[in-house]
Amino acid sequence: AQSVSQHNHHVILSEAASLELGCNYSYGGTVNLFWYVQYPGQHLQLLLKYFSGDPLVKGIKGFEAEFIKSKFSFNLRKPSVQWSDTAEYFCAFPGGTDKLIFGTGTRLQVFP
Amino acid sequence: NAGVTQTPKFQVLKTGQSMTLQCAQDMNHNSMYWYRQDPGMGLRLIYYSASEGTTDKGEVPNGYNVSRLNKREFSLRLESAAPSQTSVYFCASKVLAGNNEQFFGPGTRLTVL
Repeated sequence: AQSVSQHNHHVILSEAASLELGCNYSYGGTVNLFWYVQYPGQHLQLLLKYFSGDPLVKGIKGFEAEFIKSKFSFNLRKPSVQWSDTAEYFCAFPGGTDKLIFGTGTRLQVFP
Repeated sequence: NAGVTQTPKFQVLKTGQSMTLQCAQDMNHNSMYWYRQDPGMGLRLIYYSASEGTTDKGEVPNGYNVSRLNKREFSLRLESAAPSQTSVYFCASKVLAGNNEQFFGPGTRLTVL
């Protein structure tokens, strides 16, 4: 069965630290990959997406992700986090023509 | 554009009561979705509607029904609420097949006592 795994459930960082959140998927076909962010009390918003082309994708607020096909991974990175990045982050990929499968999420807490 | 809207924002029910969660989108999207979000479990798909006039079960459909009223509106009904349905419910929509980017509503926080 298709699945997506997020290995880090809870990450705590200080401001200015670097961030990398892991995401692995199990699917052998063409992939579209997404990272969504959910700020406290808010709905999910698209952070970035990969459809094709350059495997290094840049998103909003300084986030980027790299698609590594050989590792079935799509890890999210940010060189220097801010307190305002405190949120929950979800990786997702298609589970069929019209569906997305979401990971269980990573809660990021950034302390000033 | 308001995007995806949901009503109500909060609801408390007693076990056995029924209610309908409403969702509407003004982006002329074809596909609409209902998810529930529970701590440590991410988002799980309840039902979806790939296009007006069709609905399909997702990962966790038991205890729920849906209606795709028209292209804009997709409602989720709990006929007999149970405490296990305490959750945050999100509606989402997307424009067409082949592009899976979904747009989410603000959510409904439901508590079943």
